[in-house]
Amino acid sequence: NAGVMQNPRHLVRRRGQEARLRCSPMKGHSHVYWYRQLPEEGLKFMVYLQKENIIDESGMPKERFSAEFPKEGPSILRIQQVVRGDSAAYFCASSPPGLASTGELFFGEGSRLTVL
Amino acid sequence: GQQLNQSPQSMFIQEGEDVSMNCTSSSIFNTWLWYKQDPGEGPVLLIALYKAGELTSNGRLTAQFGITRKDSFLNISASIPSDVGIYFCAGFNSGGYQKVTFGIGTKLQVIP
Repeated sequence: NAGVMQNPRHLVRRRGQEARLRCSPMKGHSHVYWYRQLPEEGLKFMVYLQKENIIDESGMPKERFSAEFPKEGPSILRIQQVVRGDSAAYFCASSPPGLASTGELFFGEGSRLTVL
Repeated sequence: GQQLNQSPQSMFIQEGEDVSMNCTSSSIFNTWLWYKQDPGEGPVLLIALYKAGELTSNGRLTAQFGITRKDSFLNISASIPSDVGIYFCAGFNSGGYQKVTFGIGTKLQVIP
């Protein structure tokens, strides 16, 4: 079974450009979470999505950031007009639905965004 | 938002020493989890605890779910160089909205 797949692993953008990060959850998982990790810091929750629904976006900056998890295809975290402070590792995690969920999240290897 | 307090934030130990780290919360969780993040990788689950007072081992790792359900600790015995990494605790309440809350991590360095 393939694990959580994130791409790209590394992304370089200039200030003002857009960054799109993709996450394909594990097979059978319908919950997706996005976390941001700044260098030498912990995991900061950004958003929790189920298919076609945003459940909790309390960790998302109010502007420039958006996330979606469409019925078909991967979840996408989109950052518009990137600034240097957006440079970080962005991790996606997935979990199975409903009663099968035990709080165990399966993480991808992360996408490392560098803004020049 | 909800936050877990994890300590220590970093530690340097000699190879062979035992390590202990803990996590506390102002609110109750019915599941505690411990993850490890190797440098440049995503976190991986080490141990999951589902019952207050539960003590669970995974090789040289032992974790306990506090009686109050507001804390947990992780012990690593006889540390080895590959134990290097960041250890995160996480709390979770099953049923309803299933959000996992992470601590800020304990960065472990092992000196050979």
